[in-house]
Amino acid sequence: GESVGLHLPTLSVQEGDNSIINCAYSNSASDYFIWYKQESGKGPQFIIDIRSNMDKRQGQRVTVLLNKTVKHLSLQIAATQPGDSAVYFCAETLGQAGTALIFGKGTTLSVSS
Amino acid sequence: GAVVSQHPSRVICKSGTSVKIECRSLDFQATTMFWYRQFPKQSLMLMATSNEGSKATYEQGVEKDKFLINHASLTLSTLTVTSAHPEDSSFYICSARTSGRQSTDTQYFGPGTRLTVL
Repeated sequence: GESVGLHLPTLSVQEGDNSIINCAYSNSASDYFIWYKQESGKGPQFIIDIRSNMDKRQGQRVTVLLNKTVKHLSLQIAATQPGDSAVYFCAETLGQAGTALIFGKGTTLSVSS
Repeated sequence: GAVVSQHPSRVICKSGTSVKIECRSLDFQATTMFWYRQFPKQSLMLMATSNEGSKATYEQGVEKDKFLINHASLTLSTLTVTSAHPEDSSFYICSARTSGRQSTDTQYFGPGTRLTVL
């Protein structure tokens, strides 16, 4: 069958390659999703977000894709650089004010020169 | 962008003592702050939601008497780990959310506090 993008705990790429990081979220009612980057010993850093009424959003070198049918989120990083090496987390939240983010399992991206 | 600070960045304490961690939003008002805990190589786990001027809401399994949260102003929330034990050693991260009614208000994360209990 077709792969919908299995979550991998680690991803190793060469500098200049494109990276794709996958995430499966848990709640079909979630309507807002965010990708964070976390470097060792630091707090999460916002990368890009997407609302449930969209299926794609592009930023600078990054693209987020949302597939609500299978509750899947992906982050694409173009021309990956060594500085992109970090742990990447997806997070989801419900459409209510004050609702906290629920984080998915992280993916450690390692970029070699 | 908005900045959230945490103090201290690292703390080492003896078992049985209490430790206070501060979370401040430096250039915006945060009606809601969140506290997370992160163990090595794991994801962030929400501990509690803190709203200014009211009691914090704790997640299931988080002892409110052990992890005291005070959100006394729109720019400051504190987490006090009381009678800390080695199993409380972790990376504690806060986030602050700008005022507003929409869930899409951005959350800004602090740099985290590494707690080591001996």
